[in-house]
Amino acid sequence: GAVVSQHPSWVICKSGTSVKIECRSLDFQATTMFWYRQFPKQSLMLMATSNEGSKATYEQGVEKDKFLINHASLTLSTLTVTSAHPEDSSFYICSANHQRGPSTDTQYFGPGTRLTVL
Amino acid sequence: AQSVTQPDIHITVSEGASLELRCNYSYGATPYLFWYVQSPGQGLQLLLKYFSGDTLVQGIKGFEAEFKRSQSSFNLRKPSVHWSDAAEYFCAVGPSNDYKLSFGAGTTVTVRA
Repeated sequence: GAVVSQHPSWVICKSGTSVKIECRSLDFQATTMFWYRQFPKQSLMLMATSNEGSKATYEQGVEKDKFLINHASLTLSTLTVTSAHPEDSSFYICSANHQRGPSTDTQYFGPGTRLTVL
Repeated sequence: AQSVTQPDIHITVSEGASLELRCNYSYGATPYLFWYVQSPGQGLQLLLKYFSGDTLVQGIKGFEAEFKRSQSSFNLRKPSVHWSDAAEYFCAVGPSNDYKLSFGAGTTVTVRA
C-alpha cells in the first residue's frame, strides 16, 4: 500500500512552453501533497504544500505564478511549470500523506519527474 | 527553525561490512525523524521513522536507527551491507503534527565487492 505515482517520468520541452506534472496517490486518499525540487547531487527542497480543495502554500522564494499547483481531489495534485526556462530543469518529486490511519505522519514519495528545458 | 546535518557526503564500505550514517538535527521541540533511501533517478523510499517511544527503531532492509536526544542525533546503521544498498540516503526532520520535512544534504553510499 501507500503508492504514489508521477507522470510523466521524464519530459523535455522547449523554453517558453508550459509543462504539467501529475502526482497521484494510487491506493489511499491524501489530505496533503508536497512538491519538492532536487538539483543534481543535492537534497530535496520543499516548494509547496498542497491541500485538497484549497490554495497551495508556497515556500519562501518559490514563484507561485510560475509553479502552479492544483489539488483537485484527494488522489491527484498537479504541478504546472509555466513558461519554462533552462534554469527550471530539475528533478521534481511529489509526496503524499495518508488521510487517516496509523501512517498519517509519514510522507510517501513518488518516483520523480525529470524536467529538461532546452 | 529546523535543520538537518549529514556530516558525511560520501561513504565507501565493503560488502558484508557494517555501515553507520550520521544525522544531526536542530529543532526546538520533539522532532519527527525519518531516514529515506534514493536509488539513482528514483524517488525516495522510507527506511524507518521515529516519533516517540523506544529510541532504537527498526526499519526495512535490515536498517535500524537510534534517537539520542542529548546528542540531537539519529544515526542509521546496518550490520552487514549488501551491494544493493548502494544509494543516496537522506535524513529528514519534521515538527509534530505538521508534515513539512527538512532534509539533510544526503550521504552517498558506495559498496565495493
